[in-house]
Amino acid sequence: VMTQSPAFLSVTPGEKVTITCQASEGIGNYLNWYQQKPDQAPKVLIRDASQSISGVPSRFSGSGSGTDFTFSISSLEAEDAATYYCQQGSQHPLTFGGGTKVEIK
Amino acid sequence: QVQLQESGPGLVKPSDTLSLTCAVSGYSISSSNWWGWIRQPPGKELEWIGYIYYSGSTHYNPSLKSRVTMSVDTSKSQFSLKLSSVTAVDTAVYYCAKKTDGHNPFDIWGQGTMVTVSS
Repeated sequence: VMTQSPAFLSVTPGEKVTITCQASEGIGNYLNWYQQKPDQAPKVLIRDASQSISGVPSRFSGSGSGTDFTFSISSLEAEDAATYYCQQGSQHPLTFGGGTKVEIK
Repeated sequence: QVQLQESGPGLVKPSDTLSLTCAVSGYSISSSNWWGWIRQPPGKELEWIGYIYYSGSTHYNPSLKSRVTMSVDTSKSQFSLKLSSVTAVDTAVYYCAKKTDGHNPFDIWGQGTMVTVSS
């Protein structure tokens, strides 16, 4: 089970965003982060807890290992309004966190 | 570039079987990738349904395993999902997606298709 928090954030552009994801058991670093905008499919932003994906802005980052993980947006931009999900890829069944909706103030 | 496109009925009756197909273009389906299905009920989180390798090997979510069948047709470069005995709780957007073999993320997704279960 992946427990993600908070469920909702309302943030001013330029501010930092931090989202956490906790696994019910150790998953090493097999943790991915996705961004989903309304009526779009998810898009992977971070893989293996902290590895960046080609083409993804550097303001997105991740850290953690074992059971506790963090996703950050260093300086929020208007286009970052979306729901963010963590997903563990360590074992079957693959599971996603409940999501964090980020709203722009 | 790699593209995935879901197709299938948008409305399915309760107790019937939901059938969807995902067409793969711009990439060989017979490569070291798992071809998967993920669904998302309206306003809710993502749920992994399962995936299939080009050879036919499968992994299914235990919560759905008794009702799920996946298949792959390499000659048509497509893979399919069948979910039997559907009820209203199966109403969701269904996505197909690609995952490279190993502990890798889903890196390519289809646009998703909404399936409603209703009489």
